Amino acid sequence: GAVVSQHPSWVICKSGTSVKIECRSLDFQATTMFWYRQFPKQSLMLMATSNEGSKATYEQGVEKDKFLINHASLTLSTLTVTSAHPEDSSFYICSVVVSGQPQHFGDGTRLSIL
Amino acid sequence: QQQVKQSPQSLIVQKGGISIINCAYENTAFDYFPWYQQFPGKGPALLIAIRPDVSEKKEGRFTISFNKSAKQFSLHIMDSQPGDSATYFCAASSSGGSNYKLTFGKGTLLTVNP
Repeated sequence: GAVVSQHPSWVICKSGTSVKIECRSLDFQATTMFWYRQFPKQSLMLMATSNEGSKATYEQGVEKDKFLINHASLTLSTLTVTSAHPEDSSFYICSVVVSGQPQHFGDGTRLSIL
Repeated sequence: QQQVKQSPQSLIVQKGGISIINCAYENTAFDYFPWYQQFPGKGPALLIAIRPDVSEKKEGRFTISFNKSAKQFSLHIMDSQPGDSATYFCAASSSGGSNYKLTFGKGTLLTVNP
């Protein structure tokens, strides 16, 4: 069964709105989750590392004020795309790190900004 | 700087044939090399992984060959099936780094013709 649940799977919204994406670890408590972005026919690009109870660590070039990450519990991390614009349209994927195991990926959220 | 180089970008194989995808890395601190399979609209799923202490690992029809001195590793899919048609990503991480942070290759789109 699925280890990681992502919601929603697909969202369409108008330019300027904010969108929240949830990533839940179903079977494990995860102190660390990763957020990736994937453009069509491209590889996964790490955006940030989400740490439970502390601030996220962002990769170079990723605007922390644009992509707000909250990891308030051991089973839930959220990514909020603030004031989204068409160039933010992408496939957003989270992964969960469990000690001693490889990363488990969610099924992604397709974000389309009109 | 691309730390993991993957080739070919796309690959077409006949059913029953062998699919071979190659990756090369630069960072000698990498010590974990997984391969992921991704179907359209889904997140990546771990296929098989290897650590540098072995030169080959086989799981069913999937084999990883690893050449530490050349800093290269490859995925072999034996008896390729149409259901194997997907995008394959190699990746690498350093266990001494930030909680299994993965560096991905650019991906290979595999098409297996019936």
